[in-house]
Amino acid sequence: NAGVTQTPKFQVLKTGQSMTLQCAQDMNHEYMSWYRQDPGMGLRLIHYSVGAGITDQGEVPNGYNVSRSTTEDFPLRLLSAAPSQTSVYFCASSRNYRGNEQFFGPGTRLTVL
Amino acid sequence: RKEVEQDPGPFNVPEGATVAFNCTYSNSASQSFFWYRQDCRKEPKLLMSVYSSGNEDGRFTAQLNRASQYISLLIRDSKLSDSATYLCVVDGNQFYFGTGTSLTVIP
Repeated sequence: NAGVTQTPKFQVLKTGQSMTLQCAQDMNHEYMSWYRQDPGMGLRLIHYSVGAGITDQGEVPNGYNVSRSTTEDFPLRLLSAAPSQTSVYFCASSRNYRGNEQFFGPGTRLTVL
Repeated sequence: RKEVEQDPGPFNVPEGATVAFNCTYSNSASQSFFWYRQDCRKEPKLLMSVYSSGNEDGRFTAQLNRASQYISLLIRDSKLSDSATYLCVVDGNQFYFGTGTSLTVIP
């Protein structure tokens, strides 16, 4: 099993550009989520999904969109990048969100100039 | 008020020392509790779940105090390889992460 994979590992964008961060898991997990991690702020939930076709907002959803057309994939779209979105982005999955271990991808380091 | 609060440290301890971290949570309905470890510039990984009766995994002991709404992690006989950031995680209507406690074990 590859676990949770994320691409790209690094990305530099200019203000106003859009892009999609890819996330995939091969563990048949129902629950998938996107976090951003900033110094001193910990991990903050952006969006999450409890199954294919179902998504919901987390703590910091503004400026991001998600979709979940399959169990395996959960892409995160930045609509119009801003410097405040410079961060490390982690995708995670778990069997469900109650009492189960979350598995994280290796992260995407995004810089917005 | 934050859902989960941790002392950020840093904790700098000599090899062989015992060190303890605490984490408080605000939602009394939370049911699941975890400690994750995150190495520098890496993804978080599960260290251990925290059970109501307390649990131990080698040199690591986790405890839950529901009445006071905190969880703790005790590391005995610290090793250099224990140097990392330790994150407490609590569930609610989603997973909530603490900001992490930094530990450096010094030779």
